[in-house]
Amino acid sequence: GDSVTQMEGPVTLSEEAFLTINCTYTATGYPSLFWYVQYPGEGLQLLLKATKADDKGSNKGFEATYRKETTSFHLEKGSVQVSDSAVYFCALSAGGSYIPTFGRGTSLIVHP
Amino acid sequence: EADIYQTPRYLVIGTGKKITLECSQTMGHDKMYWYQQDPGMELHLIHYSYGVNSTEKGDLSSESTVSRIRTEHFPLTLESARPSHTSQYLCASSWGGQETQYFGPGTRLLVL
Repeated sequence: GDSVTQMEGPVTLSEEAFLTINCTYTATGYPSLFWYVQYPGEGLQLLLKATKADDKGSNKGFEATYRKETTSFHLEKGSVQVSDSAVYFCALSAGGSYIPTFGRGTSLIVHP
Repeated sequence: EADIYQTPRYLVIGTGKKITLECSQTMGHDKMYWYQQDPGMELHLIHYSYGVNSTEKGDLSSESTVSRIRTEHFPLTLESARPSHTSQYLCASSWGGQETQYFGPGTRLLVL
């Protein structure tokens, strides 16, 4: 079946550091890929997505590129802020299914 | 901005009580979902609906039930709450062929 593996957290960084959160997937066909973010006390919200190979999703300074050859969708940001502290979920939606497969989430803590 | 609401936000109840967690969305989305989020952050799908009068159980076995009598409303009921039901419950919705899910803020439930 489909699966998403993302790096375990917490990831702890100082403000303005470079961020990478790794995500790899297993799926049949050509899934759409997503990053969701969950701020403390809130539900998840879509951060960015990519629907086909080599697409780059971007939002709020975050980027991720759909790499079919490595089945990866790593999240990056050049300079993190304290306000980026949250839990980040990688997810995929494959084969016309409306039910996404989520990774386990990676907690990011950014210190001033 | 997604318009999906959950009430109550926090609930503390005793074992054996019957409770209903409310979820409503004003976006006219046809699909709705309930997730249970454990303290380790992982999401587990417990129920979903693809439209009025359509409900299905998700991957995680749950003693809860749901109904979908109106498009905008997807309540979740626990007939007899137990301490093992202590968790955060997230409601989500999506529209048509779109794979993006929109989440409510969650209900944090504590069963004593």
